[in-house]
Amino acid sequence: NAGVTQTPKFQVLKTGQSMTLQCAQDMNHNSMYWYRQDPGMGLRLIYYSASEGTTDKGEVPNGYNVSRLNKREFSLRLESAAPSQTSVYFCASSEGDSRYSGNTIYFGEGSWLTVV
Amino acid sequence: AQSVAQPEDQVNVAEGNPLTVKCTYSVSGNPYLFWYVQYPNRGLQFLLKYITGDNLVKGSYGFEAEFNKSQTSFHLKKPSALVSDSALYFCAVRGPGNNRLAFGKGNQVVVIP
Repeated sequence: NAGVTQTPKFQVLKTGQSMTLQCAQDMNHNSMYWYRQDPGMGLRLIYYSASEGTTDKGEVPNGYNVSRLNKREFSLRLESAAPSQTSVYFCASSEGDSRYSGNTIYFGEGSWLTVV
Repeated sequence: AQSVAQPEDQVNVAEGNPLTVKCTYSVSGNPYLFWYVQYPNRGLQFLLKYITGDNLVKGSYGFEAEFNKSQTSFHLKKPSALVSDSALYFCAVRGPGNNRLAFGKGNQVVVIP
């Protein structure tokens, strides 16, 4: 069972470079999310997509853009990387629109990004 | 606003002893509550959730959690800890009508052989 798959697993960028984190889920989920995890801060939501064709900002959207390419795929782009974006990034998905239910969010294995 | 507090940075427990990881929450309305576990260099794995109904929720790997509305708590428990339970544990809450899941900062659990 693949679940949520994200690539790359590890990446080192120089300040100012751009890159895209790819994410795909095979659970036919409607909602997808991008989180970042920093020590002592838990997980913070960057962007989410409640359904195909829609995206919304989370807590920390600055410096990021997203694309919901289709129902399966949700990519995160760093246009001009900064050292403050050094973090672990997690893609996640949930069945349906979770606003009105207790749908569980399922996570990918993470992408470790270092910006030097 | 919705938020979660996990007051202890690290919980140390001897193997075989009961394990408790504390979580309190703040949300408007009835909460949806979740526990996740994260092993080193891995993603978050879902353990259990409370939606409605019985206040005691049973989940994966022998874990359970008790919802206490009056104390706004959702503590995670395991009767007998294993060394393999050593990991980072996250509590999360979502309020009704809210698509965002608010996470606590996480608790590092260390089970001592």
